[in-house]
Amino acid sequence: AQSVTQLGSHVSVSEGALVLLRCNYSSSVPPYLFWYVQYPNQGLQLLLKYTSAATLVKGINGFEAEFKKSETSFHLTKPSAHMSDAAEYFCAVRNSGGYQKVTFGTGTKLQVIP
Amino acid sequence: DTGVSQNPRHKITKRGQNVTFRCDPISEHNRLYWYRQTLGQGPEFLTYFQNEAQLEKSRLLSDRFSAERPKGSFSTLEIQRTEQGDSAMYLCASSFDPGSLGNEKLFFGSGTQLSVL
Repeated sequence: AQSVTQLGSHVSVSEGALVLLRCNYSSSVPPYLFWYVQYPNQGLQLLLKYTSAATLVKGINGFEAEFKKSETSFHLTKPSAHMSDAAEYFCAVRNSGGYQKVTFGTGTKLQVIP
Repeated sequence: DTGVSQNPRHKITKRGQNVTFRCDPISEHNRLYWYRQTLGQGPEFLTYFQNEAQLEKSRLLSDRFSAERPKGSFSTLEIQRTEQGDSAMYLCASSFDPGSLGNEKLFFGSGTQLSVL
């Protein structure tokens, strides 16, 4: 069975500080991994995805994530937080193979302090 | 591309009543997903379709829930004999994955907020 665990339901950072949101996955086969973001009163949208082409994945709005097989992790980072980054972030996993469901984590709410 | 559309945006019903939600995916998207989200939780998988075929249904879903996607276009999610525990945001997403690789992007609608009184 596939699953993701997001450590920390709430993370607060100062504007301009490093953002680090943690995600660990469990999968019996090589996974596809995703980060989605949900801004207040908006639908979820894709930030970035890992599909085995490269371990360091760059996404929109300056976010990136690194796939580390040895640590079964896919942490999301951004060098400098902006007020507009305040949102809820969801890590998701799908086993490769095409017909599997996408499983989401419980989410991490990011607060950016001016 | 008008995005994924869900109707209604809000639904208030009394316990025991039946409700039906509709999702119109992005045209030509072959996959359609239903998720449920409660406050402070991530989207919980309910079911998904590839074209008109329902490929997987969550074991958490009771027999009171049914979903259809006739002709591989729009989809409906029906909940019979609603219970207070059904109160949640019901999300629909669609995607295009012609090669069945599974790494495609999901496009989400804004959801239908169900309140069961």
